[in-house]
Amino acid sequence: SAVISQKPSRDICQRGTSLTIQCQVDSQVTMMFWYRQQPGQSLTLIATANQGSEATYESGFVIDKFPISRPNLTFSTLTVSNMSPEDSSIYLCSVAVGDSSSGNTIYFGEGSWLTVV
Amino acid sequence: SQQGEEDPQALSIQEGENATMNCSYKTSINNLQWYRQNSGRGLVHLILIRSNEREKHSGRLRVTLDTSKKSSSLLITASRAADTASYFCAPRGNTPLVFGKGTRLSVIA
Repeated sequence: SAVISQKPSRDICQRGTSLTIQCQVDSQVTMMFWYRQQPGQSLTLIATANQGSEATYESGFVIDKFPISRPNLTFSTLTVSNMSPEDSSIYLCSVAVGDSSSGNTIYFGEGSWLTVV
Repeated sequence: SQQGEEDPQALSIQEGENATMNCSYKTSINNLQWYRQNSGRGLVHLILIRSNEREKHSGRLRVTLDTSKKSSSLLITASRAADTASYFCAPRGNTPLVFGKGTRLSVIA
């Protein structure tokens, strides 16, 4: 298994500002992902955080809005830039752990609940 | 896509009853994972069933997988009020997890 710590757990942000969310894992993992969950919705994948290279973004998400860093195998950050009320969401970090031959187990952090006012 | 679709969307039962949720998907998979999400919190990994397994148990949870029908079910026995949450299935191949809308379970004390 993996223990994932996310910071902050909750924040209220002013429109137009940026906030960086940190994700720390208690073991080295190859694959890390960032998801967004808007109020009342399911989870949507933002990007795969690649160690040593640029993140791979899903359709509808761009690096300028959601820059991601992955400096090593245990840590990643997601920045939500120039926030608007539409960015109010829970942002979740997740990691893949285990046996790739049968498919990795995916674990999630507790999430960072951002409210933009 | 590998997105799972949960059914029903909402389920309300009395404490002590069993709850069954179903999941359907469209592509071949290596495994299928079930998660629970309490309101406003992260996802908790419940159980993983591999594509060559048909049934798996963990405590009060029983998961089945039918790869020929591309479906899975999650049974929670003797439900408790603390089981109230949203439940998601996640079929997994070689791409990141994609989530459906989940099943919202309400267990009434």
